[in-house]
Amino acid sequence: EPEVTQTPSHQVTQMGQEVILRCVPISNHLYFYWYRQILGQKVEFLVSFYNNEISEKSEIFDDQFSVERPDGSNFTLKIRSTKLEDSAMYFCASSVGPGAGKGYTFGSGTRLTVV
Amino acid sequence: DAKTTQPTSMDCAEGRAANLPCNHSTISGNEYVYWYRQIHSQGPQYIIHGLKNNETNEMASLIITEDRKSSTLILPHATLRDTAVYYCIVRVAGTSGSRLTFGEGTQLTVNP
Repeated sequence: EPEVTQTPSHQVTQMGQEVILRCVPISNHLYFYWYRQILGQKVEFLVSFYNNEISEKSEIFDDQFSVERPDGSNFTLKIRSTKLEDSAMYFCASSVGPGAGKGYTFGSGTRLTVV
Repeated sequence: DAKTTQPTSMDCAEGRAANLPCNHSTISGNEYVYWYRQIHSQGPQYIIHGLKNNETNEMASLIITEDRKSSTLILPHATLRDTAVYYCIVRVAGTSGSRLTFGEGTQLTVNP
């Protein structure tokens, strides 16, 4: 079964540093998403991306965050200057399009630890 | 999206059916009921969805009441690997460009 692949599985970074989290969505999917989950808390929506632009973003997704689809396969989330509170699991997801009967397919996540 | 209410936790014996309830009394006519689960910090996994008819797939069955104000996810023969947090989410289909709103979900523990 096709998978959403995320790398790295775990990243440790110093506060103030930039990080890029990488995702390879399912090849025929057109919508891409980032979610995060702080330890012990709910899964939270960050951003959705379609046709090379952001289609929706949450209040969490401030100017420190950006997303990009640099080529035909990768989808990245960049955090410009990490804070301690950015420590979380970050999940990438993709879906085939409107009326996606099977919903989203999520990756296994990147655990980001900011020290 | 309509708000959902689920029990915080449930237990089930291995091999028995697990019935997970969800209340969504404010659901609108064009909103579907989706179920996802999350196994210990892995990414959420889609299980099933439905509008008003009961649905079944290889993972589970979804029973939606006639008034659509509540639903039940049924895992017919629960295994230890079904231990997870189960999320009931109500949203309009055809808006896959928009967010999924996860609540607290139900922690299902399958016991040997």
